[in-house]
Order: sequence, then structure tokens, then C-alpha cells
Amino acid sequence: DGGITQSPKYLFRKEGQNVTLSCEQNLNHDAMYWYRQDPGQGLRLIYYSQIVNDFQKGDIAEGYSVSREKKESFPLTVTSAQKNPTAFYLCASSGTSGSGGLFGPGTRLTVL
Amino acid sequence: GDSVTQMEGPVTLSEEAFLTINCTYTATGYPSLFWYVQYPGEGLQLLLKATKADDKGSNKGFEATYRKETTSFHLEKGSVQVSDSAVYFCALSDRSGGSNYKLTFGKGTLLTVNP
Repeated sequence: DGGITQSPKYLFRKEGQNVTLSCEQNLNHDAMYWYRQDPGQGLRLIYYSQIVNDFQKGDIAEGYSVSREKKESFPLTVTSAQKNPTAFYLCASSGTSGSGGLFGPGTRLTVL
Repeated sequence: GDSVTQMEGPVTLSEEAFLTINCTYTATGYPSLFWYVQYPGEGLQLLLKATKADDKGSNKGFEATYRKETTSFHLEKGSVQVSDSAVYFCALSDRSGGSNYKLTFGKGTLLTVNP
């Protein structure tokens, strides 16, 4: 079955450590996205990629980095420069602009 | 830039009540419009969509009509159930410009349905 997966579901890290969140899709979608969700703030776009080897900053890219070496994969690294990294992170993919996005189950990152 | 404004919650209803969650948008081009639903601890699921003016999206008893004249996409359901309790997000995808895949979300509306 086609879908989008994120791992792990829960992640704990110490302050000052970089951490990489995984996102994989087998839907043959061109576009992939990373969103951050905080209580009461909805979803905010971190990075997005429309094609392999290309990506653009979203609204809150500072302290994050991404890569898109394969169509199926779009990992997000939360660096130590991110001031408040504890949040719920959602990955999504889409095929065309009119189809909306298919979301993964999310990763809840807690920085201790 | 693009933006989505939806009614703030929380919204609390009794089972079988009528639901309306208002959503208005601002976009530079001709956006597609979406409603997503999020159950506790999960990702977002696409509930319904509309891609052009006067289109009506519908799914699981929920409906929303793309109103270009009022730039609105209000979500409605005639009779809610306890299982509809979730957070609902209105979103748009603007097809103009170079970032035509990007989704812009409202802040979400928490719906609680009591038996």
C-alpha cells in the first residue's frame, strides 16, 4: 500500500544535540514538506521540496536543514541552533497542487 | 501573501447538533481549498477539497462550498457524532507563482462533541 511514513513517533534529545527526523513516501509524489505544529499555532511550514535535489525555505526555516537526494525521502535535521525545538513535526507529500497533501503520522520531539 | 483565517475554538456541541466552522482566505491567484482533520496524537487527514469556484467538497457527511465572491470555504455537517471530535484545519494551495504546491493553513478549530 502507498503511504508516507515518519520515524520515530517519539524522540527525546538533550539540548545542544542535532537530531534527524525521517520521512519516506512511496507514492511517487514530486513535492514533500515539513511542518511544525505547536499548541494554538496551527501548522507552520519549515521547508519544502518540489523536485529532487532542490528545496526552499518555508516560514520558519532557521535552525533546521533538509536534503532531497531521492524522490522518496526528505529528512529534516533539527540543529542546535533551533531555539525551541520541542514540537510535533509533520511531513507531507503531494503530487499536484490541486490534490492537497498526504500527511505522515508525525514525530513528537522533546528536547530535555 | 496567502493566508487562511478560521473561527477560533474550542467548539463544543451535543451529539446530532448542526456544525459550522467558518473559514475565509486571502490568495493572490486561484487557490484550491481544503479541510483537514486531526485526531489526537495523529497526523492530518484530508477531509474534503474544492478546486474551483462554486465547487462543493463532501465526505463523511461534511460539506464545504468554494465561494469566490466571499473568499470563504465554511465547513458544515448536519448532525455531528462523538467520533467527530477532533481539530479541523482549513487550508489553501495557491496555483500561481513558483510555489504552487505550498499549503497554507489556518490555526485549527478544536471540536468536542458530547453524547
